[in-house]
Amino acid sequence: DAGITQSPRHKVTETGTPVTLRCHQTENHRYMYWYRQDPGHGLRLIHYSYGVKDTDKGEVSDGYSVSRSKTEDFLLTLESATSSQTSVYFCAISAEENSYNEQFFGPGTRLTVL
Amino acid sequence: GEDVEQSLFLSVREGDSSVINCTYTDSSSTYLYWYKQEPGAGLQLLTYIFSNMDMKQDQRLTVLLNKKDKHLSLRIADTQTGDSAIYFCAVNAGNNRKLIWGLGTSLAVNP
Repeated sequence: DAGITQSPRHKVTETGTPVTLRCHQTENHRYMYWYRQDPGHGLRLIHYSYGVKDTDKGEVSDGYSVSRSKTEDFLLTLESATSSQTSVYFCAISAEENSYNEQFFGPGTRLTVL
Repeated sequence: GEDVEQSLFLSVREGDSSVINCTYTDSSSTYLYWYKQEPGAGLQLLTYIFSNMDMKQDQRLTVLLNKKDKHLSLRIADTQTGDSAIYFCAVNAGNNRKLIWGLGTSLAVNP
């Protein structure tokens, strides 16, 4: 298994509170991604990173921000959580040398916003 | 924008073959993928096919690609209960290292 962990694995929070999810990799891969998975919507890209301090928005970036100050860590922040952000969040990584762009997924974080 | 579509559910009997279908709109996609997600876990790459191929076989898995119709299929021979999972079709979106995902097909294997 690719060395990718997510923390926390589960979190329950209240509307309006800030939340930060962490993705940590030990593979030194260049690309990192944050997705959310919801029933009926499949997997949707929130933000991705193509290097340290280099990030770009995905299709559902509103209400989320990211930071990548080190190769191994990619943080996803919900500045003020809303109930619509209740979801399962997956981090993925991909190596630049991998020409077919296989993405390796973390185990996911289940976030509930009350 | 680009889109990937797949049926949401498939139910088969153990030992039968399963065929999961996917259609996509981006004709410039060079790699097409099948990912598998088991309950409570992240996704794992099952197999992929390069766009200049029309078939790829890997043990019980056969991937067929019809570029003209933009149709991709995954056949699982001798389906087992352990194959019960959600299967996602995905295609690459140009050169920007992003993937376009289908909604996933939930495969149920009945004994």
